Amino acid sequence: QKEVEQDPGPLSVPEGAIVSLNCTYSNSAFQYFMWYRQYSRKGPELLMYTYSSGNKEDGRFTAQVDKSSKYISLFIRDSQPSDSATYLCAIYFNNNDMRFGAGTRLTVKP
Amino acid sequence: DVKVTQSSRYLVKRTGEKVFLECVQDMDHENMFWYRQDPGLGLRLIYFSYDVKMKEKGDIPEGYSVSREKKERFSLILESASTNQTSMYLCASRLAGGNTGELFFGEGSRLTVL
Repeated sequence: QKEVEQDPGPLSVPEGAIVSLNCTYSNSAFQYFMWYRQYSRKGPELLMYTYSSGNKEDGRFTAQVDKSSKYISLFIRDSQPSDSATYLCAIYFNNNDMRFGAGTRLTVKP
Repeated sequence: DVKVTQSSRYLVKRTGEKVFLECVQDMDHENMFWYRQDPGLGLRLIYFSYDVKMKEKGDIPEGYSVSREKKERFSLILESASTNQTSMYLCASRLAGGNTGELFFGEGSRLTVL
């Protein structure tokens, strides 16, 4: 079993839709939960991070963590074509180890 | 603006060739990493370096070696390229002791081995 599981998609939605991206993890010795965004032919960039259960908002993006279920989510409201990218969840563990999900490829169609 | 630069964006090599992938960061970060990214497998760590002259194996070091002679530069070496090393290679750096462990990535080097 991988330490971080993420459905690779692809996921295609119409512009304006609410997008839900999800990951599960198995190891509880974490420090931070992160979401990276990777545009085509580019390297990943940090989008959001959180360390506690609950929600964290940043504009149209909301990161949600449920530690009891070992489940993390990223919601995108009013999705735009410019949101089309691959989204990778990542977990930074206590031993300074960073583990990534496989990445979900998202396409937002105009 | 933070910058991680990978000198070669696209390379095509033949089986058995020696391949050098270079990475330079201008953020004075102590930690540097090499990942490969394959569809459905995500990012897998090949090697990392906590500081100059230091290196540690990641999850998939076989067939690779690294060099870190200067703080800003971390090189990945494929001694004898094979077709199963066709992949996207990503270099990253990180500030040692940073709270979140945020990685700063280069734009990637896409290697094709024929």
